[in-house]
Amino acid sequence: GDSVTQMEGPVTLSEEAFLTINCTYTATGYPSLFWYVQYPGEGLQLLLKATKADDKGSNKGFEATYRKETTSFHLEKGSVQVSDSAVYFCALATNFGNEKLTFGTGTRLTIIP
Amino acid sequence: DTAVSQTPKYLVTQMGNDKSIKCEQNLGHDTMYWYKQDSKKFLKIMFSYNNKELIINETVPNRFSPKSPDKAHLNLHINSLELGDSAVYFCASSQKGRGTDTQYFGPGTRLTVL
Repeated sequence: GDSVTQMEGPVTLSEEAFLTINCTYTATGYPSLFWYVQYPGEGLQLLLKATKADDKGSNKGFEATYRKETTSFHLEKGSVQVSDSAVYFCALATNFGNEKLTFGTGTRLTIIP
Repeated sequence: DTAVSQTPKYLVTQMGNDKSIKCEQNLGHDTMYWYKQDSKKFLKIMFSYNNKELIINETVPNRFSPKSPDKAHLNLHINSLELGDSAVYFCASSQKGRGTDTQYFGPGTRLTVL
């Protein structure tokens, strides 16, 4: 079945550090890939997505590129801020109709001033 | 102008009780979902509905019964609550339920079963 493997957390970085959170997937066909973010006490919100190979999703300084050859969708940001502290979820949805999201386990990120 | 709302935000109850969680979306979406997030933050789909029709039922115990009176609402009723039902339950919606669609999540309902 479909699965998402995500970098184990927690991750603690200093402000302005470079961030990478690794994500790899297993799926039938060519799924759409997502990063969702959950701030403390809130629901999930979409951070970025890519729906086909080689697409790059970007938002709020975060980027991720859909790599079919390595089945990966790693999240990066060049300079993190304290406000980026949250739990980040990598997810996929296949494109066969009536699709659910399959999530990774989440990575808790804490940014220290 | 909340897009996806859930009530209640917190629910504390005794084992064996029956409870409901309500979800409403004002985005005009066709598809709605229920997800369960456990204590380790792991998220798993429970159900999805498209235009009031059940589409996904992910081997959830039949104590859980979703009901969709119209396409803007998807409620979750749970009978005979058990300790293991304690979790955060998230409602979500998407435009057509396609794989490329963004899902919009509600704020969650934290259920604690004592």
